[in-house]
This record gives sequence, C-alpha cells and structure tokens, in this order.
Amino acid sequence: DAGVTQSPTHLIKTRGQQVTLRCSPKSGHDTVSWYQQALGQGPQFIFQYYEEEERQRGNFPDRFSGHQYPNYSSELNVNALLLGDSALYLCASSLSRGNQPQHFGDGTRLSIL
Amino acid sequence: AQSVTQLDSQVPVFEEAPVELRCNYSSSVSVYLFWYVQYPNQGLQLLLKYLSGSTLVKGINGFEAEFNKSQTSFHLRKPSVHISDTAEYFCAVSVDYGGSQGNLIFGKGTKLSVKP
Repeated sequence: DAGVTQSPTHLIKTRGQQVTLRCSPKSGHDTVSWYQQALGQGPQFIFQYYEEEERQRGNFPDRFSGHQYPNYSSELNVNALLLGDSALYLCASSLSRGNQPQHFGDGTRLSIL
Repeated sequence: AQSVTQLDSQVPVFEEAPVELRCNYSSSVSVYLFWYVQYPNQGLQLLLKYLSGSTLVKGINGFEAEFNKSQTSFHLRKPSVHISDTAEYFCAVSVDYGGSQGNLIFGKGTKLSVKP
C-alpha cells in the first residue's frame, strides 16, 4: 500500500519562473493538503483540496494555486517565484471523515536562485 | 486563531535517559493535538494524536503524551531514548472541520539529539 508520493524530489528554479509540484495521495484518501516548510521552521499550511475544490486556504498570496483531479491527485503551482519561496513543500493526504490524521509525503525541495 | 509554542528548540540527552519535549497551545475552541517526527531529508511521520477521551495517549516507538486542558499543554515523553530517536519533533493542532480535520498548525519544532 503506497503512501503519499511527491514529485519531483528536488527542483532548482530562478526568480520569476513558474513551478508545478505533484502529489499522489495515500490509497483511499480523498483530501490533499499542501504545506511549506522553510529551513529551520515548522510547516505552514498553504491550502487543502477536497472534491476538486479548494476547501481551506492559509495566508499565502495568489501566486500559489492548486488543483485536485478526479483521482484525488493534486498539483501545487507557484508563479513569479521569489527567493523566499525556497523551501520544502510537503503534501499530506487524509480521509474526509472520521477525524483521520494527515499522512505526509517526503516533500519536494525547491531552491530558487 | 490557534497557535503552538514548543518551548525548547534543541534538547540534548544521553542514550537511555528519559526525555520530555514541551508543547503549549492557544485556542478559543476545542482542538485536536498531534506530535509528528521528521528525520533528515524526510517528511513528517505521525507519532501520536489526541482527539478525545483519555488524556494519556500512547504512540509509536515508545512515546507518549499527556493532554492537560487547564495548562493547555501536550508534552511528549519517552522513558528511555535511543540513538535512533535523534530527529526533529513537531507539535501540531487542528480544529474540527465538518467532521474531518482542518489544517494543521505547527510549532517551530524541537531538535532531539541523543548522545551515546
């Protein structure tokens, strides 16, 4: 039973570029959340998707957008990259009912030059 | 709004010694509480969770935590640590969101360093 998988594992971009990160949830999960973890910090919530809709959003600018597909997989898109966007981006999946905990992938390390 | 404070950024301890990692939270509504562990270059792994019921929660790898509502704390403990417990530990809270978990709010983390 595969857990949460994220791709790519590492990515290097330059300022102003755009990036797309991908996430496949754990089998049976229907909700996907994205978090940004800057170096030396705890993860910060970006947004959560359920039934292909953004259900909750954290305090991130509109440059951060997402999508969820019918198979529950998800993408995180970041436009006009800034140096401060350098971070580990974590995807977490969960089941939408029963207060089930979120399961995390190993993340995508994004470096902005 | 909710917030989480992890009182120690680093905790060094000798192997086989007991350890306590402290976590306090702030919230005006009932919360769910979690501890996650992060090994280098990996994602987060759930150690234990408190949703309701008994305030003493047992998790994986011999860890346990106690929910104290009056002190708004959820400290993590292990009676005897191993070298392999060296990692960063995150305390997190969430609120109920229509019967499922809302977003997790994390503390800044505590780096546990176990020395031989």
